[in-house]
Amino acid sequence: NAGVTQTPKFRILKIGQSMTLQCTQDMNHNYMYWYRQDPGMGLKLIYYSVGAGITDKGEVPNGYNVSRSTTEDFPLRLELAAPSQTSVYFCASSYHQPNTIYFGEGSWLTVV
Amino acid sequence: KQEVTQIPAALSVPEGENLVLNCSFTDSAIYNLQWFRQDPGKGLTSLLLIQSSQREQTSGRLNASLDKSSGRSTLYIAASQPGDSATYLCAVRPDAGGTSYGKLTFGQGTILTVHP
Repeated sequence: NAGVTQTPKFRILKIGQSMTLQCTQDMNHNYMYWYRQDPGMGLKLIYYSVGAGITDKGEVPNGYNVSRSTTEDFPLRLELAAPSQTSVYFCASSYHQPNTIYFGEGSWLTVV
Repeated sequence: KQEVTQIPAALSVPEGENLVLNCSFTDSAIYNLQWFRQDPGKGLTSLLLIQSSQREQTSGRLNASLDKSSGRSTLYIAASQPGDSATYLCAVRPDAGGTSYGKLTFGQGTILTVHP
């Protein structure tokens, strides 16, 4: 049972580069989310999706983009990386009535 | 804007002790509250979920209580073990009908160390 899978696990980017964090889930969940966690802080919602073709902004969306072409996949795109985007990124998913949320193991991103 | 605070930020206890982790939130209009465990380098694992209409939930040695009116929740861990060492986070989901989805607001977490 794979659950929520994120890749890559670690990545170092130079300022101004772009990259995509991949997320896939095999639980047939409608809802998917991207959070970021800064050191010593809680998680903050970047973007979320309630189903294929539907996405919306969370609390901290600036500098990111998402797409949801299938139920399983929810990639997060970073355009023109900035040092402020150095963080740990978590993808998560849940059923249509989001009670328990299942998290991936995280992607550590450093922008230098 | 909802704010969630967890006290203490860190806690170190000897094995076998009973302990309490605290979570407070500023807006009592919540749908539910969840407690998560986060191991170093790992994602979050849901421990307990309390609906706004409930007062407590139990799972094994864990008991979570919720006092919505006062904006507080506690996570009680009985007979702590070294394997309980992790960061514990609480998160609240707003009561905004069907539109709140997974818009959880997280506390900053309590780092728990249980030493043998």
